Amino acid sequence: DQQVKQNSPSLSVQEGRISILNCDYTNSMFDYFLWYKKYPAEGPTFLISISSIKDKNEDGRFTVFLNKSAKHLSLHIVPSQPGDSAVYFCAASEYGNKLVFGAGTILRVKS
Amino acid sequence: KAGVTQTPRYLIKTRGQQVTLSCSPISGHRSVSWYQQTPGQGLQFLFEYFSETQRNKGNFPGRFSGRQFSNSRSEMNVSTLELGDSALYLCASSFSGGSGELFFGEGSRLTVL
Repeated sequence: DQQVKQNSPSLSVQEGRISILNCDYTNSMFDYFLWYKKYPAEGPTFLISISSIKDKNEDGRFTVFLNKSAKHLSLHIVPSQPGDSAVYFCAASEYGNKLVFGAGTILRVKS
Repeated sequence: KAGVTQTPRYLIKTRGQQVTLSCSPISGHRSVSWYQQTPGQGLQFLFEYFSETQRNKGNFPGRFSGRQFSNSRSEMNVSTLELGDSALYLCASSFSGGSGELFFGEGSRLTVL
């Protein structure tokens, strides 16, 4: 069973516009949610996280929103840049560093 | 500050053999986690070690094992390899763990023939 789902395999956005990546989860025991970015031939890189007691967290161009009632989180990138083109993974944690990852969304930012 | 180092980067084995992968965490990091990435299953948690003790374990068969040394370096071993074990094995470290904010290595690409 997929506890963390990223239903959009890919997303294409124009440079300067907003990128919105979505993630749904089923396990209500998750207490921490994270986004990782992955470039080809590299390991995932931590981007931003949010605790289940919050509904929003910002870090520069990146904002993560959490809707616990809908079991949904999203990552907003504003403005999008060509260097943001990568695979984005949503992840959730119930026990510390034991992360459950989504399948990933390929983001392409066109210049 | 050096990142997480994994060796070997690529290896090819045949069914039935065993393999050992190595991971050197970022200096000062005491938690090491291992993940398997495959096209079909995505990124899946194998196990986590902290101060030489396994702290968490994923849903993998006993053929998958690991250990951590006193210098925080970690190894994972897969015995009796199967074709389905072909994957990218990623190691990740963190200072103390608990927040899920991990620093990943580039991975070891295992191909089982």
